[in-house]
Amino acid sequence: NAGVTQTPKFRVLKTGQSMTLLCAQDMNHEYMYWYRQDPGMGLRLIHYSVGEGTTAKGEVPDGYNVSRLKKQNFLLGLESAAPSQTSVYFCASRGGATDTQYFGPGTRLTVL
Amino acid sequence: GENVEQHPSTLSVQEGDSAVIKCTYSDSASNYFPWYKQELGKRPQLIIDIRSNVGEKKDQRIAVTLNKTAKHFSLHITETQPEDSAVYFCAARHNTFSNSGYALNFGKGTSLLVTP
Repeated sequence: NAGVTQTPKFRVLKTGQSMTLLCAQDMNHEYMYWYRQDPGMGLRLIHYSVGEGTTAKGEVPDGYNVSRLKKQNFLLGLESAAPSQTSVYFCASRGGATDTQYFGPGTRLTVL
Repeated sequence: GENVEQHPSTLSVQEGDSAVIKCTYSDSASNYFPWYKQELGKRPQLIIDIRSNVGEKKDQRIAVTLNKTAKHFSLHITETQPEDSAVYFCAARHNTFSNSGYALNFGKGTSLLVTP
């Protein structure tokens, strides 16, 4: 039982490049979330999903897209990276019967 | 939407002393309040949580109190140890599915330093 995993752990992009971050969970959780963490800003919700095939916008969705084709995976895409997207990205998941939200180890992204 | 304020942003205590971190929330419909600890370079880890039908909860050296009327909740750490040094985040969650799918609204964090 690996919990929540994220790939890659680190990535450096140039402005305008694209990439996809993968989040996977093996706990059969319905809910999955993408947050970004910036110094002094806490964690802010980018997008979320309440089940396979569903996605919705969070607090800071601009410049990102997501997909949840399989229940265990939640992908975060950057189509044209900008320096303002330099951040640490955390994925989280939660089961329907519990309150606890479990976080992945994070992806540190730098956009030059 | 929900707004969570957290104070102080930094806190330094001597080993063995107590530490208190306070948070306020704006949405009276929030009903779940977790606290996460994040060590440098690591993921946030849940350390304690409380639901709105409870006023206080304890787990060994850690306790959380909730005042629904005033819309504030606090984390109390007693007999602090150097390994308690980390960033602590409070969060609040709305009680309805339609509001961000039960996502958490986080405070900006408190950096706690426990000196020997």
